[in-house]
Amino acid sequence: SQKIEQNSEALNIQEGKTATLTCNYTNYSPAYLQWYRQDPGRGPVFLLLIRENEKEKRKERLKVTFDTTLKQSLFHITASQPADSATYLCALDISGGSNYKLTFGKGTLLTVNP
Amino acid sequence: NAGVTQTPKFRILKIGQSMTLQCTQDMNHNYMYWYRQDPGMGLKLIYYSVGAGITDKGEVPNGYNVSRSTTEDFPLRLELAAPSQTSVYFCAAVSSGGNTIYFGEGSWLTVV
Repeated sequence: SQKIEQNSEALNIQEGKTATLTCNYTNYSPAYLQWYRQDPGRGPVFLLLIRENEKEKRKERLKVTFDTTLKQSLFHITASQPADSATYLCALDISGGSNYKLTFGKGTLLTVNP
Repeated sequence: NAGVTQTPKFRILKIGQSMTLQCTQDMNHNYMYWYRQDPGMGLKLIYYSVGAGITDKGEVPNGYNVSRSTTEDFPLRLELAAPSQTSVYFCAAVSSGGNTIYFGEGSWLTVV
């Protein structure tokens, strides 16, 4: 069966450190992968999209890598701040890029301690 | 520009009741989606639409119905509410090209 896993349910780090979140998948060949931030009681907010032919994408303090051989994406937040504390979701396109249907991981709750 | 608007925010239903969750977007996006999110679980796709008049089932469509008479609106209907439908429901809209997905703020539904 098709699976998408985010390896950690929760991650605690110290302010200023780099947070690294992992997303692994099986039995997919996704056209792209996305990362979202979700705060308690709110809807997911889109952060970054990386396509299958891209190895790395950056946006300010965020960096995403995508290894289609390992079937893995890493999401990095550098110089982390307490305001980065949230649940981070990864999502794969399962429609081959046609209908933009997404399969989501369960998320990783990141806590950045001051 | 409100993006994606969902109503109601909270609702309690009795078993067997029916209701409609409303979703409206003001971005003129063709693609719209309904997901549900259960505690500790990833979002699951219920139904989606690629344009007005076109809808299709997602991963967990049983117990739900949708319609898409206009580009702006994509309501989700629960006909006979069951406790298993207690969840948070999110509507989303996607621009053509799929580069950006906008979610609504969610509708919390409890069936008792």
